[in-house]
Order: sequence, then structure tokens, then C-alpha cells
Amino acid sequence: AQKITQTQPGMFVQEKEAVTLDCTYDTSDQSYGLFWYKQPSSGEMIFLIYQGSYDEQNATEGRYSLNFQKARKSANLVISASQLGDSAMYFCAMRAGATNKLIFGTGTLLAVQP
Amino acid sequence: EPEVTQTPSHQVTQMGQEVILRCVPISNHLYFYWYRQILGQKVEFLVSFYNNEISEKSEIFDDQFSVERPDGSNFTLKIRSTKLEDSAMYFCASRERPNYGYTFGSGTRLTVV
Repeated sequence: AQKITQTQPGMFVQEKEAVTLDCTYDTSDQSYGLFWYKQPSSGEMIFLIYQGSYDEQNATEGRYSLNFQKARKSANLVISASQLGDSAMYFCAMRAGATNKLIFGTGTLLAVQP
Repeated sequence: EPEVTQTPSHQVTQMGQEVILRCVPISNHLYFYWYRQILGQKVEFLVSFYNNEISEKSEIFDDQFSVERPDGSNFTLKIRSTKLEDSAMYFCASRERPNYGYTFGSGTRLTVV
């Protein structure tokens, strides 16, 4: 069965510090993609970063990077230099195998403190 | 930047009424999706749509739900007889092709009273 696990329901970080949000996944498919989305209090889902299972390099997008450890089946999101506007819910998601659907984790609520 | 547009942003309906949630995907995208998020819970897949037909659906997507792409731009989700437990945020998403990112709309918050 395919599954995404986010074990941190909530996190605090000081402004300008880096923070790592954990995500582990489970799939028996060799081909899969991992996604991170940000959901602010306004409710929309904002795409942050993508990592393909065959990508050899960790994905980076500005202040976001994905620490992809395939053997450990983890895909942690690292946000560098946190800003107050980073306060939001963060979801890890996976698309695996022949399916088109995304499977989401339960999310991590990040609060950035001044 | 192209975006997925959903209307209305918030809809309140009486239990048992039919609702239609509307979405305009990004114009060159070929794959369309509906997801829902019950308040405080994770995002759940409902249905995917490609080449004018459903390609995959979840167990949530029962006979009360249907999807349609009535013209070249709109993608709709219909709930025939709403129940209290249908109250949720409904997200439309689209993507250009496999292995590309999914772009989500801003969501429609459906409240069934």
C-alpha cells in the first residue's frame, strides 16, 4: 500500500533560522514522485517542490530544498532563512506507479516566531 | 503565471440539494482532478479525468458524485444530494502531462446545513 507519513503535527522555528519538516513514504513502485505543498490559513494549496524517484540530485527551489534519502524512504523539506510568511500547513504528497492521484500526508503546521 | 480558477469560493447549501462546483483548469493541461479536505484533516483524492473520461476514482466518489467537462475550458464536480459529511474544501487540480507538477485551485469551501 502507498502511504505518506508526517510525524510532526506542529513545529516552531525562529525567524531567519532553517527548519526541516519530515516526510517518509512507502511504496513498492520504482517510479514515483514526491511533492511538497504549502497551505496558508487562506486555504489554497501552493506547490513548492518536486523530486522524482530517479532524480540523482536533491531538488531545490529558492529557499526550499528537498533532502531525498531513497534508501530510507524519506523526503524531508528544508526551509532556509525562515520568514514570518512561511507560517502555514505543509503537506508532503506522493504519486506512485501507474496511478495519477496524489496521496497526501497529514501535514505539519509550521509557526515562524519573530 | 497560469492558474486554476475555482468558483464559487464558498457555497452554503441545504442538505439534500444538488451543488455544482466549477473549475477552469490551465488551458494546455490535459489531466484534471478533484480533491477534498475535510476541516482539519488531510487532502483526499476523489477523481481524475483525462481524455473526456474518468481515469481513476476513490471509494469516496460514489454515485452521488459526477464530473463533467462540458466545454473546452470548464471542469465541474456535481454532488447530487448533499449530506452533512460532504462539508469540506474541494480542490480542483490540473497538470500538463505525467511527471509534471499538479497545480491546485484556491478551493471551494462547501458547507452543508
